[in-house]
Amino acid sequence: DGGITQSPKYLFRKEGQNVTLSCEQNLNHDAMYWYRQDPGQGLRLIYYSQIVNDFQKGDIAEGYSVSREKKESFPLTVTSAQKNPTAFYLCASSMGSGSATDTQYFGPGTRLTVL
Amino acid sequence: GDSVTQMEGPVTLSEEAFLTINCTYTATGYPSLFWYVQYPGEGLQLLLKATKADDKGSNKGFEATYRKETTSFHLEKGSVQVSDSAVYFCALDGTASKLTFGTGTRLQVTL
Repeated sequence: DGGITQSPKYLFRKEGQNVTLSCEQNLNHDAMYWYRQDPGQGLRLIYYSQIVNDFQKGDIAEGYSVSREKKESFPLTVTSAQKNPTAFYLCASSMGSGSATDTQYFGPGTRLTVL
Repeated sequence: GDSVTQMEGPVTLSEEAFLTINCTYTATGYPSLFWYVQYPGEGLQLLLKATKADDKGSNKGFEATYRKETTSFHLEKGSVQVSDSAVYFCALDGTASKLTFGTGTRLQVTL
């Protein structure tokens, strides 16, 4: 089945530690995205990548880093510089064509809790 | 910049009631519009979309019409079921395929 996988589903981190969230897609999509979701708020864009080896900051990139070495993979690292990292993190992908019909599809999410 | 405004929830309905969740937007140009649904503890699933004015998106009994004159994309369903209980997000696709989301509306359907 084609889709987007995120792992792990739940992640616990001690303060001061970096942690990496995995996102893999087998949809042959060019573009990938990371969002953060907090209770009572919509999704906010952290980083996005429209092509391998290239990525751009979203609206709330501070304290996060990404890489895009392969088309299928877009890992997100939450660094110790992120002041309030406890949240639900969602990865998405799309064809990235920029056409009106382009649609983002989402993974199941990773819930990160800082202890 | 782009923005999406949804009605605040929670919306509580009895099964078989009519549903409307309001969504209005502000954007330059002609964005595509989306409704996504999120069930507890899960990611977002695309519910429906519309890419140009007067288009109607529909899926699973839900529908929404892209109204450029009122900059709206209200979600409707004629008869809700308990299984429709979820959070619904309205979103628009602006520049560089970046989605702008509303804050979400929680729907609770009771027997």
